[in-house]
Amino acid sequence: DAGVIQSPRHEVTEMGQEVTLRCKPISGHDYLFWYRQTMMRGLELLIYFNNNVPIDDSGMPEDRFSAKMPNASFSTLKIQPSEPRDSAVYFCASSSSGMSGFVTYEQYFGPGTRLTVT
Amino acid sequence: DQQVKQNSPSLSVQEGRISILNCDYTNSMFDYFLWYKKYPAEGPTFLISISSIKDKNEDGRFTVFLNKSAKHLSLHIVPSQPGDSAVYFCAARRTGNQFYFGTGTSLTVIP
Repeated sequence: DAGVIQSPRHEVTEMGQEVTLRCKPISGHDYLFWYRQTMMRGLELLIYFNNNVPIDDSGMPEDRFSAKMPNASFSTLKIQPSEPRDSAVYFCASSSSGMSGFVTYEQYFGPGTRLTVT
Repeated sequence: DQQVKQNSPSLSVQEGRISILNCDYTNSMFDYFLWYKKYPAEGPTFLISISSIKDKNEDGRFTVFLNKSAKHLSLHIVPSQPGDSAVYFCAARRTGNQFYFGTGTSLTVIP
């Protein structure tokens, strides 16, 4: 498997523009997580899905942020309108709850999207 | 509020010596703890985990210790190798798959 795929790897946009980040989880994984990494707060969980259904979006900072998972192999995180304080690295991660026996709660992370809003 | 804290932003260790990375948490409802390792321009990768019902888990050179009464966990790497130089994140899980990460500790292993 190619692992978790994120696109784009880098995004530079101007304040007020719409930004869409994309993620393809590992095939067969039933959980998908979106994180934001900043120096001050480390990795923050924004939202997660189970079987394509949003379970907890309490980490989404504002209504400007939205996420969707239309099918098991694709998710988007959208920021509209974007602001300079949204500049960060955004990670998508997936995991599986279907493994019998030993459980580690391990998540597999994508390479991240570095967003810069000017 | 930061429920998982890594108070040391950086750590330097001589090759062959022990590296000890520390993590504190505030929520007694956490039931699982994990350590991730991150290289620049890559996503974090899973390293080792421990259930809240245990106090130690070992995997090769990596050992995680959990002290529930102190709400403290630590990752020991021995012997440290230059390839271990990376940022290490501590994470905690709450029931319902809510995960909380620390701000990371940058480890440098000096050859």
